[in-house]
Amino acid sequence: KQEVTQIPAALSVPEGENLVLNCSFTDSAIYNLQWFRQDPGKGLTSLLLIQSSQREQTSGRLNASLDKSSGRSTLYIAASQPGDSATYLCAVISYSGAGSYQLTFGKGTKLSVIP
Amino acid sequence: EPEVTQTPSHQVTQMGQEVILRCVPISNHLYFYWYRQILGQKVEFLVSFYNNEISEKSEIFDDQFSVERPDGSNFTLKIRSTKLEDSAMYFCASRIGPTYQETQYFGPGTRLLVL
Repeated sequence: KQEVTQIPAALSVPEGENLVLNCSFTDSAIYNLQWFRQDPGKGLTSLLLIQSSQREQTSGRLNASLDKSSGRSTLYIAASQPGDSATYLCAVISYSGAGSYQLTFGKGTKLSVIP
Repeated sequence: EPEVTQTPSHQVTQMGQEVILRCVPISNHLYFYWYRQILGQKVEFLVSFYNNEISEKSEIFDDQFSVERPDGSNFTLKIRSTKLEDSAMYFCASRIGPTYQETQYFGPGTRLLVL
C-alpha cells in the first residue's frame, strides 16, 4: 500500500528566504506526482504535476523535482512571500490493482512566511 | 476560469441522519471523485466515478455511502446514516480525461459536522 510522508510538518521562515519542502513515497511505481496548496478551510489548488518520466517542473517561483527510484520529491520555493503561507500537500498517482489508480496524499507541510 | 463548486459549504447534522453533499464538476470533465479530510489528518480517497458508475472505491466507502450523477451537471455523495466519525471536510474533484497527465481540480469542500 502506498504511503506518502512529508517533512517537516511545519516550517516558519522570514520573507524572502528560499525553502525546500520534502515528500517521500514508499512505492516507486507511480504515474505522476502532484503538489497542491491548501489554504485554511479551503479546497486544494494544484501547483505542479510531474509525470513519472520527468525529473522536474517549474512554475514561476516554484520548482518541483522527482526522483522516482529513491521515492522522493522536493518543492523549492524561491524568494518566499507572506502570501505563500499555506499547507502544501504532496500526492502520488499509483496503480492500486484491478485496473484502478489512486491519488494518495501526504499529511502536508504547514508553511508560515513571516513578513 | 471554470471551477468545481460544492454545496453546502457547511452542514451540521444529528447522528443517524442522512446527508447529501452536492458538487458541480467542471462542465466538460468526465471523471469525478470524492475525498474526505478528517481534521488534522490526510486527504483520503473515497470513490471515483465515470460513465455513470463507480470505477473505484476505498475501504472507507462502505454501504453507508453512495454516489449519483442525477443529471448532466450535479454529482452527489449521500451518507445514509451518519456517524460521529463521518465529521470531516468532503472534497469533490473532477478530471477531464482518462490519463493521469491531467490534473484533478478540487472544489472548496463541504465541512460536515455530525453531533
